[in-house]
Amino acid sequence: SQQGEEDPQALSIQEGENATMNCSYKTSINNLQWYRQNSGRGLVHLILIRSNEREKHSGRLRVTLDTSKKSSSLLITASRAADTASYFCATDFMDTGRRALTFGSGTRLQVQP
Amino acid sequence: DGGITQSPKYLFRKEGQNVTLSCEQNLNHDAMYWYRQDPGQGLRLIYYSQIVNDFQKGDIAEGYSVSREKKESFPLTVTSAQKNPTAFYLCASKRQSTALSGANVLTFGAGSRLTVL
Repeated sequence: SQQGEEDPQALSIQEGENATMNCSYKTSINNLQWYRQNSGRGLVHLILIRSNEREKHSGRLRVTLDTSKKSSSLLITASRAADTASYFCATDFMDTGRRALTFGSGTRLQVQP
Repeated sequence: DGGITQSPKYLFRKEGQNVTLSCEQNLNHDAMYWYRQDPGQGLRLIYYSQIVNDFQKGDIAEGYSVSREKKESFPLTVTSAQKNPTAFYLCASKRQSTALSGANVLTFGAGSRLTVL
């Protein structure tokens, strides 16, 4: 499967701590994105990193991309209870003719107040 | 406000019935997508459409059908051939990326939860 795999599957931390989620994929990509999903809702785009970028920041979010290892990480700093959600990586694969994102299995983040 | 509207939010179906999930967007996006999400899992692509009157199968198209007669609308029909249709269905759209804008981001609807009784 070309689908991204994420770890951990679930993560529970205290408010104020940092949360790190990882995503691995199998084939070359054009870009990698991270999305957030609150329980029972649609996904919301957080950040996009292109294949020629190594690190990107957006507010409390930091994303890294290592194309040699085919992996990415999402760091949420100074977490808040409102960050509780599932987080998904999504990849835009280069080698296929398919023009659609492929999503990972997600990390469920619980931030304890 | 621009966005994607999915309806109904909750739907119950008896075995053997076809049901149609609605997805409408007023974002003037060219591409539209249907994903299925099972509890505690990621999204799997059912169908997608890059342009009106054209669509392609995704990874799990069997038992589903779509149409794209208008740019704004991409309804999904869950047919009786879909053996395990109970799931959360998500519709998304995307403005076609260009070399300059690089826009390649999906906007999602709030989802429709289908339960087979």
